[in-house]
Amino acid sequence: SQWGEENLQALSIQEGEDVTMNCSYKTYTTVVQWYRQKSGKGPAQLILIRSNEREKRSGRLRATLDTSSQSSSLSITGTLATDTAVYFCATDALSNNRIFFGDGTQLVVKP
Amino acid sequence: DTTVKQNPRYKLARVGKPVNLICSQTMNHDTMYWYQKKPNQAPKLLLFYYDKILNREADTFEKFQSSRPNNSFCSLYIGSAGLEYSAMYLCASSNRGYAEQFFGPGTRLTVL
Repeated sequence: SQWGEENLQALSIQEGEDVTMNCSYKTYTTVVQWYRQKSGKGPAQLILIRSNEREKRSGRLRATLDTSSQSSSLSITGTLATDTAVYFCATDALSNNRIFFGDGTQLVVKP
Repeated sequence: DTTVKQNPRYKLARVGKPVNLICSQTMNHDTMYWYQKKPNQAPKLLLFYYDKILNREADTFEKFQSSRPNNSFCSLYIGSAGLEYSAMYLCASSNRGYAEQFFGPGTRLTVL
């Protein structure tokens, strides 16, 4: 398996709080992608961070990547109830065509 | 337009019967994927088509078949459904060399 310590986690927070989700992976990857899956829909990419980047920001999102520890994090600031979803990280294990998902984090943001 | 469509959205099948799921995309992507997702688990790649070349994952090689009659359409075929096939099936597409995959809403398959 490409994945280390990332079983499905569940987080429940209040709207307006900040949250950070983590994942770790076993083998080298050229990029880490973070996807969000809302109820009844397929996953959608939120942010992509390359192996030569340490941090990437997009709006309220911030992704980090530590290749030495093979871990990545996704932070959301000022969460909204509409951020309620499952968040997955995904790596490519140097594959040109394939990506491999971690188990994900179920985030519930209460209004 | 970044739409990937899947039909049907819900499918009920009997044990031992065949199942055929359909996916379409209008982005002219060269690669189409099928994933299986069970509750509280990660999406699991089953197979993908790069152009006309089918690649099946080793651990699901004999369980699933697929066809891609043209660039826009791709099907997932289960010859004899078992209870363990009950899951959400996600279709995605992308272009080779680009990491982002675009997903459809999924087909929820229930095998009874």
